[in-house]
Amino acid sequence: KQEVTQIPAALSVPEGENLVLNCSFTDSAIYNLQWFRQDPGKGLTSLLLIQSSQREQTSGRLNASLDKSSGRSTLYIAASQPGDSATYLCAVRPYGANSKLTFGKGITLSVRP
Amino acid sequence: GAGVSQSPSNKVTEKGKDVELRCDPISGHTALYWYRQSLGQGLEFLIYFQGNSAPDKSGLPSDRFSAERTGGSVSTLTIQRTQQEDSAVYLCASRSRAGSETQYFGPGTRLLVL
Repeated sequence: KQEVTQIPAALSVPEGENLVLNCSFTDSAIYNLQWFRQDPGKGLTSLLLIQSSQREQTSGRLNASLDKSSGRSTLYIAASQPGDSATYLCAVRPYGANSKLTFGKGITLSVRP
Repeated sequence: GAGVSQSPSNKVTEKGKDVELRCDPISGHTALYWYRQSLGQGLEFLIYFQGNSAPDKSGLPSDRFSAERTGGSVSTLTIQRTQQEDSAVYLCASRSRAGSETQYFGPGTRLLVL
C-alpha cells in the first residue's frame, strides 16, 4: 500500500528565505506526482505535476523535483513571501486506469513578514 | 469557465440522519473523484467515476456511503445514518479525459455530525 509522508508538519520562515518542502513515498511505481496548495477553508490548487519520466518542473518561483528510485520529491520555493503561507500537499498517482491520488498530510507553511 | 462547485459549503447534522453532498464538475470533464479530509488524517480517496464505466468504490469506508453520477455530470455523495466520525471536509475533483492529468478541486463541503 502506497504511503506518502511529509515532514515536518509545519514550518515557519521569515520573508525572503528560500525553502524546500520534502515529500517521500514508499512505492516507487508511480505514474506522476503532484504538488498542491490549500488555503484555509479552501479546496486544493494544483501547483506542479511531474510525470514519472521527468526529473523536475518549474513554475515561477516554484521548482519541484522527483527522484522516483529513492521515493522522494522536493518543492523549492524561492524568495518566499507572506502570500505563500498555506498548506502544501504532495500526492502520487499509480499506474493503471484508476487515477486516484494518495496524499501526504501536508506541510503548513507560515512566512513571516 | 467555472470551476468545480460543491454544495452545501457547510452542513451540520445530527447523528443518525442522512446527508447528501453535491458536486458540479467542470463542464466536459469526464472523470470525477470524491475525497475526504479529516482532521489529522489527511486526504483520502473515496470514489472515482470515469465516463460510463463502473465507478471505483474501493475507498468508501462503509456501506453507509454511496455516490452516484447522473448523466455523466453532477455527482451526489450520500451518507446514511451519519456518525460523529463522518465529520470531515468532503472534496470533489474533476479531470479532463483529454490528456490532462491535473485534478481540479472544488472548495469542499464541511460536514459536522453532532
